[in-house]
Amino acid sequence: DAGVIQSPRHEVTEMGQEVTLRCKPISGHDYLFWYRQTMMRGLELLIYFNNNVPIDDSGMPEDRFSAKMPNASFSTLKIQPSEPRDSAVYFCASSYRGHEQFFGPGTRLTVL
Amino acid sequence: GENVEQHPSTLSVQEGDSAVIKCTYSDSASNYFPWYKQELGKRPQLIIDIRSNVGEKKDQRIAVTLNKTAKHFSLHITETQPEDSAVYFCAAKRNQGGKLIFGQGTELSVKP
Repeated sequence: DAGVIQSPRHEVTEMGQEVTLRCKPISGHDYLFWYRQTMMRGLELLIYFNNNVPIDDSGMPEDRFSAKMPNASFSTLKIQPSEPRDSAVYFCASSYRGHEQFFGPGTRLTVL
Repeated sequence: GENVEQHPSTLSVQEGDSAVIKCTYSDSASNYFPWYKQELGKRPQLIIDIRSNVGEKKDQRIAVTLNKTAKHFSLHITETQPEDSAVYFCAAKRNQGGKLIFGQGTELSVKP
């Protein structure tokens, strides 16, 4: 298995633009998590899905952020419009039955 | 709400010495406690975990201890090596659901 796959690995955009981050979880995993990591705030859980259904989105910072999981093998995290304070590394992770979480390589987002 | 406190935030040791990182959690329903290691520019990876029915678990040079009464758990690394240098995160989770609550991280530096 290739592990959790994220794209793009790096994204540089200008303030106000829409950003879409993509994630493919490990096949067979039923949980998917989106995290944001910054030096100031550490590792923050934004939202997680179980069997493609959003369970807890209390970590989503504001309405500019949205996440979808249309099927078991794909999820997106969208920021519209993006702001400089959204600059961070965004990780996707997946797990089976809520056990060990496997992280993807992350997407480093820079908003100018 | 749910919270995990981790100390210290930075730790510097000489190669060969031991390192100890401590975490406390607030949710008494937590019963799964993983530790993740994140090397610079890489993704977090699970190094060891412990469940609430166990007081201690060892894997070569690393060990984790759990005190459910006091709601704290610790990571012990013996005979540290330069390649142990990384940021270590503790986390806690309830049995139901997949949500991990992460500590703030400890930056461990092992000096040769």
